[in-house]
Amino acid sequence: DADVTQTPRNRITKTGKRIMLECSQTKGHDRMYWYRQDPGLGLRLIYYSFDVKDINKGEISDGYSVSRQAQAKFSLSLESAIPNQTALYFCATSTTVGNDEQFFGPGTRLTVL
Amino acid sequence: QQQVKQSPQSLIVQKGGISIINCAYENTAFDYFPWYQQFPGKGPALLIAIRPDVSEKKEGRFTISFNKSAKQFSLHIMDSQPGDSATYFCAATYTGFQKLVFGTGTRLLVSP
Repeated sequence: DADVTQTPRNRITKTGKRIMLECSQTKGHDRMYWYRQDPGLGLRLIYYSFDVKDINKGEISDGYSVSRQAQAKFSLSLESAIPNQTALYFCATSTTVGNDEQFFGPGTRLTVL
Repeated sequence: QQQVKQSPQSLIVQKGGISIINCAYENTAFDYFPWYQQFPGKGPALLIAIRPDVSEKKEGRFTISFNKSAKQFSLHIMDSQPGDSATYFCAATYTGFQKLVFGTGTRLLVSP
């Protein structure tokens, strides 16, 4: 079983719709992250959470919100999707100790029409 | 100042050749420099990482070279193989920052 799972893997939606992307992990890590990947722009941090009560904005949080429902679950919501939110979205986790390695999920490809 | 600049954006190398990807940073507080490898349809995964107390780290065919004075680090893939074809991201962080700053990625294609 994968350590970091994301659902859905692919999603097509329309402008103005609310959509939620979900991430679950079985690694027992406290830290969780949401990134978006766009060609030529690399990975940009949307939100991150260091425990259930700690939520922080990343560099591109506008238009997004998150919920940390449990240590193992971190959801990303687009309140009113727009076409320029079409991207590949990744969830990642890391431990609070050690070498800062982040473990990524398989990604969700989101298309906003 | 938190940016990490990566080049080239794409790279084609013949099988058996050396692939070189470069990154530069501004923040002198950065003290951990990992490289991530991403295959199509997959999430990035840690490939190799270096801390600035050494100038080079080698793991198999993959080597990181680090130049602290120039604030640059690079990934060298020796004897490149078609299976190395992937997107590579450099990144940087520092103790206490708790986030990774990623470069823009390099798409490597190793031709048979």
